[in-house]
Amino acid sequence: EVQMVESGGGLVQPGGSLRLSCSASGFTFNNYWMSWLRQAPGKGLEWVANIKQDGSEKYYVDSVKGRFTISRDNAKNSLYLQMNSLRAEDTAVYYCARDMGAHTYDYWGQGTLVTVSS
Amino acid sequence: QSALTQPPSASGSPGQSVTISCTGTSSDVGGYNYVSWFQQHPGKAPKLIINEVSKRPSGVPDRFSGSKSGNTASLTVSGLQAEDEADYYCSSYAGSNNVVFGGGTKLTVL
Repeated sequence: EVQMVESGGGLVQPGGSLRLSCSASGFTFNNYWMSWLRQAPGKGLEWVANIKQDGSEKYYVDSVKGRFTISRDNAKNSLYLQMNSLRAEDTAVYYCARDMGAHTYDYWGQGTLVTVSS
Repeated sequence: QSALTQPPSASGSPGQSVTISCTGTSSDVGGYNYVSWFQQHPGKAPKLIINEVSKRPSGVPDRFSGSKSGNTASLTVSGLQAEDEADYYCSSYAGSNNVVFGGGTKLTVL
């Protein structure tokens, strides 16, 4: 059974940092692009970043470029999102998702809530 | 890229059919056959129910179907059931490793 479990969310002050983790199981992790997406409270979905199977390519939505870094450890079947210089508008539930190609997300984790507030 | 346009709400009675539209441009919906639909129940993660415009992943009831005409994609839910009440989101590949989402449609089963 494909499963992804996010962790690392919480309350952080503006300007602070947080590192999210996503532990994957039930599939060959290093065969897939992986993505982080987010959903602000009461709002729609937004893609944040993705990373190629071997980590050689990484892409970000403009609003997080230079602040967020996506990475993966294929030996640990894990995906990460390092978030720095956090802003109130980064408050959201963050999901990791498996990308079956062309930004088609076929499996999602349960999400982890990040709240940026003083 | 601008968000895809979805109606904020839709409704139907049990057993009826309802169609939700998702309108984009020739740079996204109209340019690629990579339209997805997701179902999201309150407090839950999104679930893929349609990919590549009209393909149903394993386990998704055939009551859900997708189509596309020009720059508009559509999701049809036939034989509405109470458990279909949820938020539905469309997305489309937009080239150059970009994706755009719709704003979501809240489906109410009357």
